[in-house]
Amino acid sequence: SQTIHQWPATLVQPVGSPLSLECTVEGTSNPNLYWYRQAAGRGLQLLFYSVGIGQISSEVPQNLSASRPQDRQFILSSKKLLLSDSGFYLCAWSVRSGRGGPNSYNEQFFGPGTRLTVL
Amino acid sequence: AQSVTQLGSHVSVSEGALVLLRCNYSSSVPPYLFWYVQYPNQGLQLLLKYTSAATLVKGINGFEAEFKKSETSFHLTKPSAHMSDAAEYFCAVSPQSWGKLQFGAGTQVVVTP
Repeated sequence: SQTIHQWPATLVQPVGSPLSLECTVEGTSNPNLYWYRQAAGRGLQLLFYSVGIGQISSEVPQNLSASRPQDRQFILSSKKLLLSDSGFYLCAWSVRSGRGGPNSYNEQFFGPGTRLTVL
Repeated sequence: AQSVTQLGSHVSVSEGALVLLRCNYSSSVPPYLFWYVQYPNQGLQLLLKYTSAATLVKGINGFEAEFKKSETSFHLTKPSAHMSDAAEYFCAVSPQSWGKLQFGAGTQVVVTP
């Protein structure tokens, strides 16, 4: 079965410090990968998605970047954190387009999340 | 393009009462529709999905949803609320060809004794 991991689970960082959040998926190959952020009292905001190694699409301009160095690894980074980067960060995966057969419905499977507090 | 509207950011329901969460969508192509639940400080968990096989979809934890094309709705219901149903619920839509999920803003459910 497939599993998705995120670490760390919680993180407290000062303004201006760097950030690296990691997401890994097991039990599947060639997944689509996603990074979302939930700020307090707000819904899900899609930050980045990736359809393959080294292929990153950014949904919103921001202080963050993403990378996919391996097929099942997705990393969210920042060189200098802002207060507004605080939030709950969720990684998700889905079956890649056209590869899931008749049971592929674009549903996404989410990791447990990382709570980031920037002080 | 597709979008999702969830009516009501907060819903309070008594234990044992009907849970009704509203979701309306817009899509230029036949959609796939999903309901997710999020418990505090956790990721999202899929409750159920509509994939055009049947308009009434049954999910986990006693939830079900009905796809009504004429009303462009996909409301989520549960006949009898339990304290463990307290969580945030998200409706999402995707075109049947590959596409990113579009999530609604979420509805926070509070269950009172």
